[in-house]
Amino acid sequence: NAGVTQTPKFRILKIGQSMTLQCTQDMNHNYMYWYRQDPGMGLKLIYYSVGAGITDKGEVPNGYNVSRSTTEDFPLRLELAAPSQTSVYFCASSYSGKTTLGGYTFGSGTRLTVV
Amino acid sequence: GQQVMQIPQYQHVQEGEDFTTYCNSSTTLSNIQWYKQRPGGHPVFLIQLVKSGEVKKQKRLTFQFGEAKKNSSLHITATQTTDVGTYFCASTDSWGKLQFGAGTQVVVTP
Repeated sequence: NAGVTQTPKFRILKIGQSMTLQCTQDMNHNYMYWYRQDPGMGLKLIYYSVGAGITDKGEVPNGYNVSRSTTEDFPLRLELAAPSQTSVYFCASSYSGKTTLGGYTFGSGTRLTVV
Repeated sequence: GQQVMQIPQYQHVQEGEDFTTYCNSSTTLSNIQWYKQRPGGHPVFLIQLVKSGEVKKQKRLTFQFGEAKKNSSLHITATQTTDVGTYFCASTDSWGKLQFGAGTQVVVTP
């Protein structure tokens, strides 16, 4: 099993450009999450999904959008890139919500720089 | 929402020494999870604690959940260079979303 796969691994965007960060998991997890991690900091939740067709905002959703058309995929969209969005983005998934047995499985991350 | 605070922010350890990192909350936690992130890597799940006073061990790592379920600790004995990284504690809110602490960055000196 591949686990959680994120693409691309690295990207440089110009201010105002748009892009989609891809995330797919093959563990049949219902719950999926997007986090951002700024240098030397913890992880901040951007958006999450509890199943196909259901998404909700996390702690820092401004400037981002998500969709969840299938169980496997949870893309994150940046519409108008800003320097403040320079960060490392991690996608994660889990089997369930409250018990989260086995914890979250994280992808390897996308390092985004906005110039 | 609930917030977990980690101390210390940085930990410099001589190889072979022991150290402890702490995770504290002002509210009662439903559970506590610990993750390790190697430099340039992604967080990797280590363990989850759910019961008051629970203690779990993984080789040289000992995890503890406080009796009041408001704090947790990670103790590493005989530190090795492979222990380098940032250790995060996290706790799930009522919707199952993980709230992460800021992490303890561990540097090991040979």
